[in-house]
Amino acid sequence: QVQLVQSGAEVKKPGSSVRVSCKVSGGTFSNFGISWARQAPGQGLEWMGGIIPVFGSPNFAQKFQGRVTITTDESTSTVYMELSSLRSEDTAVYFCAREGPDWYFDLWGRGTLVTVSS
Amino acid sequence: SYVLTQPPSVSVAPGQTARIPCGGNNIGSKNVHWYQLRPGQAPVLVVYDDSDRPSGIPERFSGSNSGSTATLIISRVEDGDEADYFCQVWDSLDDHYVFGPGTKVTVL
Repeated sequence: QVQLVQSGAEVKKPGSSVRVSCKVSGGTFSNFGISWARQAPGQGLEWMGGIIPVFGSPNFAQKFQGRVTITTDESTSTVYMELSSLRSEDTAVYFCAREGPDWYFDLWGRGTLVTVSS
Repeated sequence: SYVLTQPPSVSVAPGQTARIPCGGNNIGSKNVHWYQLRPGQAPVLVVYDDSDRPSGIPERFSGSNSGSTATLIISRVEDGDEADYFCQVWDSLDDHYVFGPGTKVTVL
């Protein structure tokens, strides 16, 4: 049974960066895309970007272009999302999700709370 | 960019039917997917491709999509259905995923 296991909660200062990991366990790593989405307090889900490990080229939402990096480590079946120049508005729960065959997400991680505070 | 709209909240009595609309320009031409999100839990795909259900999702969850509105339908609502529900489409023009703002379903 495939699971997406995310790293633990983070507290960061404004202007710093955060890296969140998403380990794919129980399945073949490179065969499907992994996306990142976030939910800020009281807000909806917001897609940030995604990557298909076998292709290696990520795709980002325009809002996050230049500030988010998505990378993969095939040796550990892990996808990383790094968000830089953090501000208080980036306080949110960050989710990774597996992309299904018809542009939906059929499996999600449990989320990682990132708190940006001085 | 493509925009989806949802009402902030829907209230329904146990045993009744909840209908959650998702509006978008000519959304009937797109495949719409729905997620359930409970606090502290991972989102769960409850309907994909407008009206299909993943394995393990009760038959009480169904969907429709036509014209400018897609709808998630929850029949015989139970207390455990209380959650936020988000619609989602793929925007092929921008190569982006788009989520609706979410609807909080309250079971009275």
